[in-house]
Amino acid sequence: GENVEQHPSTLSVQEGDSAVIKCTYSDSASNYFPWYKQELGKRPQLIIDIRSNVGEKKDQRIAVTLNKTAKHFSLHITETQPEDSAVYFCAASKASGTYKYIFGTGTRLKVLA
Amino acid sequence: NAGVTQTPKFQVLKTGQSMTLQCAQDMNHNSMYWYRQDPGMGLRLIYYSASEGTTDKGEVPNGYNVSRLNKREFSLRLESAAPSQTSVYFCASYTHGRTGENYGYTFGSGTRLTVV
Repeated sequence: GENVEQHPSTLSVQEGDSAVIKCTYSDSASNYFPWYKQELGKRPQLIIDIRSNVGEKKDQRIAVTLNKTAKHFSLHITETQPEDSAVYFCAASKASGTYKYIFGTGTRLKVLA
Repeated sequence: NAGVTQTPKFQVLKTGQSMTLQCAQDMNHNSMYWYRQDPGMGLRLIYYSASEGTTDKGEVPNGYNVSRLNKREFSLRLESAAPSQTSVYFCASYTHGRTGENYGYTFGSGTRLTVV
């Protein structure tokens, strides 16, 4: 079945450094890739997404890159701040039909002050 | 505009008891979903409803049933709770945005369920 692998499971960086989280997906028909941030005890919230017809997308300190050939996509956070500490989930979906998301297992990011 | 509302927020059940988790959205979304979240396993899809009147199994449907009561409401039922169903449950809804807009789920605040 469809599968999304996410690495690393935990990541610690110093404040101001960059953080990179990587995901791979199995279903070549997937064409929509959102990233969610979940703070402790809160619901997941969308932070950025990318469609398969785009290789890279940026929003201030956050960027996502997609390599369709290799079936992997990555989240890049630059100039990390303590408030970036959270669990991040990637997901893959076919942006049609049922729109169901298959999520990765999550990355706990700790930004050390 | 409350978005997606889940009840209850917390629940403790004894093994074998039954209960229904309620979810309602006020955004006129067509599609709704139930996920469970367990440490180290991410969010796994239990059941979903692509539109009013339809429901389908996700990755982990065993031990659960769902009802899409109307366009707003999508409930999840545990007929005979087991300790393995201890988890945080999230309901989500989704809308087909216009081309170029951000799509995405809107999640409820979650239900923390413990089965003892």
